[in-house]
Amino acid sequence: DTAVSQTPKYLVTQMGNDKSIKCEQNLGHDTMYWYKQDSKKFLKIMFSYNNKELIINETVPNRFSPKSPDKAHLNLHINSLELGDSAVYFCASSQVTGVSGGRVYNEQFFGPGTRLTVL
Amino acid sequence: KQEVTQIPAALSVPEGENLVLNCSFTDSAIYNLQWFRQDPGKGLTSLLLIQSSQREQTSGRLNASLDKSSGRSTLYIAASQPGDSATYLCAVRRVYGQNFVFGPGTRLSVLP
Repeated sequence: DTAVSQTPKYLVTQMGNDKSIKCEQNLGHDTMYWYKQDSKKFLKIMFSYNNKELIINETVPNRFSPKSPDKAHLNLHINSLELGDSAVYFCASSQVTGVSGGRVYNEQFFGPGTRLTVL
Repeated sequence: KQEVTQIPAALSVPEGENLVLNCSFTDSAIYNLQWFRQDPGKGLTSLLLIQSSQREQTSGRLNASLDKSSGRSTLYIAASQPGDSATYLCAVRRVYGQNFVFGPGTRLSVLP
């Protein structure tokens, strides 16, 4: 199936631990994203990334770091987990075509989400 | 700073009704706007993408309109069905940027 996939689907861990969430897309897209959906269901961008450019939302703590081994993967590493990190994390991808000044940002496709619970 | 709001927060209608969901944004300098649906415990499914130069997009029973100057988009659902029950989110992509700003969503229940 062509899709954006994430693992694990559920992650329960203790405060202070370090954990990773993996994301893979087989859509051939060149840009990937991480979003956080909090308990109030508000979705907020954390990172957007392609091979050339990482854009970080300035509100994201530096305990969070994206790691991209290749264009099809963008993993999210979280160090020293805190209670407030509990949320659903969504990965997404899209294709950005054209060049600076004439770029076309196309549809974003989302993964199924990873529910992180920090105890 | 772009802010996106959606009205109503929740909506319950009988099956077969036509309905309109509203999305408002504060900064009209947008690149495009995308409507999604989210089923409980699931990810987001893209419904429609409207570029800033477009006025509307249609897909099946769905029609989305965009009025940039007034900072509004509407999602029209014709002949609603119980399977349409979900949370509907609009997201605005700003000019010169890749990131979406999401609205809080409208939770729709279509009763059989």
